[in-house]
Amino acid sequence: AQSVTQLDSHVSVSEGTPVLLRCNYSSSYSPSLFWYVQHPNKGLQRLLKYTSAATLVKGINGFEAEFKKSETSFHLTKPSAHMSDAAEYFCVVSRRGTDSGYSTLTFGKGTMLLVSP
Amino acid sequence: KAGVTQTPRYLIKTRGQQVTLSCSPISGHRSVSWYQQTPGQGLQFLFEYFSETQRNKGNFPGRFSGRQFSNSRSEMNVSTLELGDSALYLCASSDSGRATDTQYFGPGTRLTVL
Repeated sequence: AQSVTQLDSHVSVSEGTPVLLRCNYSSSYSPSLFWYVQHPNKGLQRLLKYTSAATLVKGINGFEAEFKKSETSFHLTKPSAHMSDAAEYFCVVSRRGTDSGYSTLTFGKGTMLLVSP
Repeated sequence: KAGVTQTPRYLIKTRGQQVTLSCSPISGHRSVSWYQQTPGQGLQFLFEYFSETQRNKGNFPGRFSGRQFSNSRSEMNVSTLELGDSALYLCASSDSGRATDTQYFGPGTRLTVL
């Protein structure tokens, strides 16, 4: 079974300070991992994805994530937060369906990022 | 390319009624997945369709069903609505539904059951 644990339900930072959103995963084989962001009343947007090509993955809007197999972690970071980064962030693992072999997404519970001026 | 579109955006129904939600994927995408998002349970996978066939199904009762048409557009249906079905229903499309594919999400349909 696959699972994703986002270690913080809320993270508060000041504008211009670093962002760290933590994610641990459980997977019985090498997973594909994603981070998605959801702004209020908007759909989900993919920030970045890991598919075993490189352990440090760069995404949009200055975000990046590092895959650490030994720690089963996939933490999301950004050097300097902007007000526009305030949103809910989801760590996602893609797993193969039991019948077809194709994937379904398993979402973490989400981390709400609050950015203060 | 146009993004994933979902209609309607908002819906209010009463218990016992049924509802149909529609999703148009990105042009060329053949896989369409549906998710339910609630404050308590978060985002949960409902089902996935590819070439008009349901390939994967989440752990939801049979009241939840769906279908996909030859143009890849998809509908989901919920019969005998319950209060707990109030949620944001998200549709996502991808090229072929492989584990490495990015799924592109629509804005969702907000369903309220009274």
